[in-house]
Amino acid sequence: QSALTQPASVSGSPGQSITISCTGTSSDVGGYNYVSWYQQHPGKAPKLMIYDVSNRPSGVSNRFSGSKSGNTASLTISGLQAEDEADYYCSSYTSTSTRVFGGGTKLTVL
Amino acid sequence: EVQLVESGGGLVQPGGSLRLSCSASGFTFSIYAMHWVRQAPGKGLEYVSAISSNGGSTYYADSVKGRFTISRDNSKNTLYLQMSSLRAEDTAVYYCVKPSWENYFFDYWGQGTLVTVSS
Repeated sequence: QSALTQPASVSGSPGQSITISCTGTSSDVGGYNYVSWYQQHPGKAPKLMIYDVSNRPSGVSNRFSGSKSGNTASLTISGLQAEDEADYYCSSYTSTSTRVFGGGTKLTVL
Repeated sequence: EVQLVESGGGLVQPGGSLRLSCSASGFTFSIYAMHWVRQAPGKGLEYVSAISSNGGSTYYADSVKGRFTISRDNSKNTLYLQMSSLRAEDTAVYYCVKPSWENYFFDYWGQGTLVTVSS
């Protein structure tokens, strides 16, 4: 199973919005509405931010939103804050009942 | 409160073995599948292994197949990962991960345990 494709880095200024893409295939992202997104700060464990493409767990800011079109899912963070600076990973359920992660995107808040 | 506490990591020589444990609490461990995910230093997340709630079904990434064995003891609320024939490329932080009930995403992660394979 090949990793999902994410941009290596994105950046934005406080208050701006950014979008991170996650491209897979019809065997994973495109075939199921089971894309999730994780935030990871340095030295910490990943934290669930979005599940089932666009749902936010309790406690996650509504500045985080998710969507999907075809084989590409996206995470949008609006009203960027300094605390949003982290690595972000997408993940998808696959046709072989396993999971696959994206390569990760480093978000820099300028 | 869900807690996942990994242990057993450390320094091991190439070709050696190590067993990781994950002690779970705060949820009914015996009815959930469980997973291991690893992260090499400075790298991304890699899905390693999974086990069904009763232990009857397992999955391994190609990179560890034949060398790693996942197991669980539901009476002790503990997940294991037996690693053998370890290679330098197995050096990583290993996370124990609880999935959602539907098993489509990961809602809780342990703090991770570092495995270093080096002579």
